[in-house]
Amino acid sequence: KNEVEQSPQNLTAQEGEFITINCSYSVGISALHWLQQHPGGGIVSLFMLSSGKKKHGRLIATINIQEKHSSLHITASHPRDSAVYICAVRNNLNYGGATNKLIFGTGTLLAVQP
Amino acid sequence: DARVTQTPRHKVTEMGQEVTMRCQPILGHNTVFWYRQTMMQGLELLAYFRNRAPLDDSGMPKDRFSAEMPDATLATLKIQPSEPRDSAVYFCASNLGVGELFFGEGSRLTVL
Repeated sequence: KNEVEQSPQNLTAQEGEFITINCSYSVGISALHWLQQHPGGGIVSLFMLSSGKKKHGRLIATINIQEKHSSLHITASHPRDSAVYICAVRNNLNYGGATNKLIFGTGTLLAVQP
Repeated sequence: DARVTQTPRHKVTEMGQEVTMRCQPILGHNTVFWYRQTMMQGLELLAYFRNRAPLDDSGMPKDRFSAEMPDATLATLKIQPSEPRDSAVYFCASNLGVGELFFGEGSRLTVL
């Protein structure tokens, strides 16, 4: 079982729909990242969060530390949101130190149709 | 607009040739990462440096890969000799401490 699981793996939506991508993890973390990668493109960091909720434009990320779960929401989706969304967690070391190493989920491929 | 710069963006080479990829991290960032992305494995950490010192290169095949930071503005990843299975996109990323991570555009390597 992967330490970071994303669902769904693939998602097709109509323009304007509200989208949710989920991420569950099984390790102790110090932070969680949501990344976006357009086809053939680079990787952009959307959010880094360790608690609560963050909002940037039409994107909202939430995290529940107790549940070991995070969600990425896209409101009023647009075809330009079509991309792979990757959840990555920064693992807490057993002796309590923070590490910079990320454990990546396998990504969610989102296609938003006009 | 600060960003991580990688060169080359694309490289096609023949098996056995040496490949060097370069990365200029964002000025002031003290941590630099090299990742490899393939369809099969997704993103994998190859190595990372803090304040130019290698902290972890356990993800890197030691026999053919080497990573260095000759100075704070340049990180290099070298493959010698290259093999077809090294074909992938190699990403460099940087951050300050454990802050937000900034990725370069990637170097797409094809080894024939």
